[in-house]
Amino acid sequence: GENVEQHPSTLSVQEGDSAVIKCTYSDSASNYFPWYKQELGKGPQLIIDIRSNVGEKKDQRIAVTLNKTAKHFSLHITETQPEDSAVYFCAARAPGNQFYFGTGTSLTVIP
Amino acid sequence: DSGVTQTPKHLITATGQRVTLRCSPRSGDLSVYWYQQSLDQGLQFLIHYYNGEERAKGNILERFSAQQFPDLHSELNLSSLELGDSALYFCASSGRTDTIYFGEGSWLTVV
Repeated sequence: GENVEQHPSTLSVQEGDSAVIKCTYSDSASNYFPWYKQELGKGPQLIIDIRSNVGEKKDQRIAVTLNKTAKHFSLHITETQPEDSAVYFCAARAPGNQFYFGTGTSLTVIP
Repeated sequence: DSGVTQTPKHLITATGQRVTLRCSPRSGDLSVYWYQQSLDQGLQFLIHYYNGEERAKGNILERFSAQQFPDLHSELNLSSLELGDSALYFCASSGRTDTIYFGEGSWLTVV
C-alpha cells in the first residue's frame, strides 16, 4: 500500500519568515495530494491541494509543489503569521480512493 | 464548517464498556472514513465505507466495528474499551470533489 512520509515533525519560524514542509509517497498511482491544517482540539481542515497533472499551485501565502518523478510534494507558507501555528498533515490519494496521511508537522510561528 | 457532523463531541466512559460514535457525512457524499488520533499522534485510518459497503480496512481492532446505513450516516462501535482507546475519533466524507472533509471529532476518554 501507499506510504507517506512527512518532515520535519516540528518546525519553528520567526513571524514573517517562510516555512516549508516536505512529504514523499511511494505509490506512483497516487494522483491527488491535499494538505490539511489542524488546530488544537479541532478537525483537520483542507488548506490546499494539488492533482498529479499539475506541478505547482498557489493560493495567497500558501503554495504546493509536486514532483511526480521523485514522488515528493511540499507545502510552502510565506510571510508566516502567528495564526499559522498548527499541525499540518499531507496526504496522498491512492487507487480505490484511499487516503494516506503523513505523521504531521507541528508549526510554531514566533511573534 | 466542513458539513460533516459527529456526535457526541465528548464522551467519558469506563473500561469494559461499549460506545457508539455517530457521523453524518456532507450532503450527497457516499464515502465515509473513520480515523483515530491519539495524543500527539497522526491520523490512523480505521475503515472506509462507500454507499453502505465496506471498501477498505486499516488498523481497526476486532473490538471495533462500523457500518454505514441507507441514509449514508455511519456509526463506529467501540466495545470492551481499554484505557488505550482514549483518543479523538474523526469521521470524514467524500464524494462530489476529490478530497475528504473532516468532522470536528469525538473525544473519547476511557477511565
